[in-house]
Amino acid sequence: DIQMTQSPSSLSASVGDRVTITCRTSQNISSYLNWYQQKPGRAPKLLIYAASTLQSRVPSRFSASGSGTEFTLTISSLQPEDFATYYCQQCYSIPRTFGQGTRVEIK
Amino acid sequence: QVQLQESGPGLVKPSQTLSLTCTVSGGSFSVGSYYWTWIRQPAGKGLQWIGRVYTTGSTDYNPSLQSRVTISIDTSKNQFSLKLTSVTASDTAVYYCARGIKDYAPPLPTEYFDYWGQGALVTVSP
Repeated sequence: DIQMTQSPSSLSASVGDRVTITCRTSQNISSYLNWYQQKPGRAPKLLIYAASTLQSRVPSRFSASGSGTEFTLTISSLQPEDFATYYCQQCYSIPRTFGQGTRVEIK
Repeated sequence: QVQLQESGPGLVKPSQTLSLTCTVSGGSFSVGSYYWTWIRQPAGKGLQWIGRVYTTGSTDYNPSLQSRVTISIDTSKNQFSLKLTSVTASDTAVYYCARGIKDYAPPLPTEYFDYWGQGALVTVSP
């Protein structure tokens, strides 16, 4: 299985802050990397696919980059509705695997 | 708007079989670029991919669960189902169904889960 390691596991930030989350994979997955946002009690929501493509209707303050084994998700100006847990997920091989999640909390 | 809804018992006894169905509405079910998947999440923990089924009936499973999992599909009802046998307390989780899409647009083909059900909590307890 491809191991997905996110850092940090959690972070505290203020509204308006720039936030960056990193996802590292145990092997090269090219650009087969997706990002999801999950709020408590809700299903995950697709934010980014193919490492850097913004899903329809996702605000442009979200961006992502990377390829190979290192990827980043950036929120340029954190908004109140962005406080949530973020997961990366690889779609390079079976089984599909997710990172352990990064919880973004209010400072 | 595509909607997915999980249904099934919320309580299953140890050693028995967990059965869930996902009903899909509001969109095409049998498009060739779609597949249908199950993902679970124990309370306070991360996401685990269980497996997927294509509208052809072809399946892929997580090797860690493969001996106990069956995912099937009924295209006439726009439904797909999960069966997990010999459950234990460690199978207690919220189970999500989701649509997977294979996107062949350039520059590279890719896949992602674009629509999810709300999730169904299944507790394994005597």
